[in-house]
Amino acid sequence: SQELEQSPQSLIVQEGKNLTINCTSSKTLYGLYWYKQKYGEGLIFLMMLQKGGEEKSHEKITAKLDEKKQQSSLHITASQPSHAGIYLCGADYRSGGTSYGKLTFGQGTILTVHP
Amino acid sequence: KAGVTQTPRYLIKTRGQQVTLSCSPISGHRSVSWYQQTPGQGLQFLFEYFSETQRNKGNFPGRFSGRQFSNSRSEMNVSTLELGDSALYLCASSLAGIEQFFGPGTRLTVL
Repeated sequence: SQELEQSPQSLIVQEGKNLTINCTSSKTLYGLYWYKQKYGEGLIFLMMLQKGGEEKSHEKITAKLDEKKQQSSLHITASQPSHAGIYLCGADYRSGGTSYGKLTFGQGTILTVHP
Repeated sequence: KAGVTQTPRYLIKTRGQQVTLSCSPISGHRSVSWYQQTPGQGLQFLFEYFSETQRNKGNFPGRFSGRQFSNSRSEMNVSTLELGDSALYLCASSLAGIEQFFGPGTRLTVL
């Protein structure tokens, strides 16, 4: 099984609708990253969460980290076609104090926004 | 500040050949991590370099190697290419291994 599970695998919404993507870890998280990717391109950094209960927002995107559940959620308010893409969560698992630049990624959520 | 750059952006090779990919990190960043992305396996960590030293390595065969230069630029090399090595290769730079910023990737096709 995957260390980091994302759900749903794909999502199709009408423009203007709100949506949530979840990322659940089977191991203790040190940090949780959210990225967006256009197909075949590089990853765009969205947010990094480190502390339980932490919540960050950027424009219409909000991410939260639930330390108890080892889970993060990404919420998009009033979605737009520009939000379409693949959303990936990446986990920083630390053992012995450092992860030395390794992120473990979920399988991604493909978001389609219909105008 | 300029972002992470990767060259070349696209590459076509045949089985058995070797290939070298290059990554220039954001100015001031000393850590470079490499990842392989395929439809079947997703994004997988290859290795990380910091100040010219490999600090971490993923579960890839020895055909995959890398190095980092004194200016923090990094290269990765794949020898004896196999069809399964076709993938998008991404590098990410960071100050010290956290908060990674990714380049546009190199699309490698092995025929």
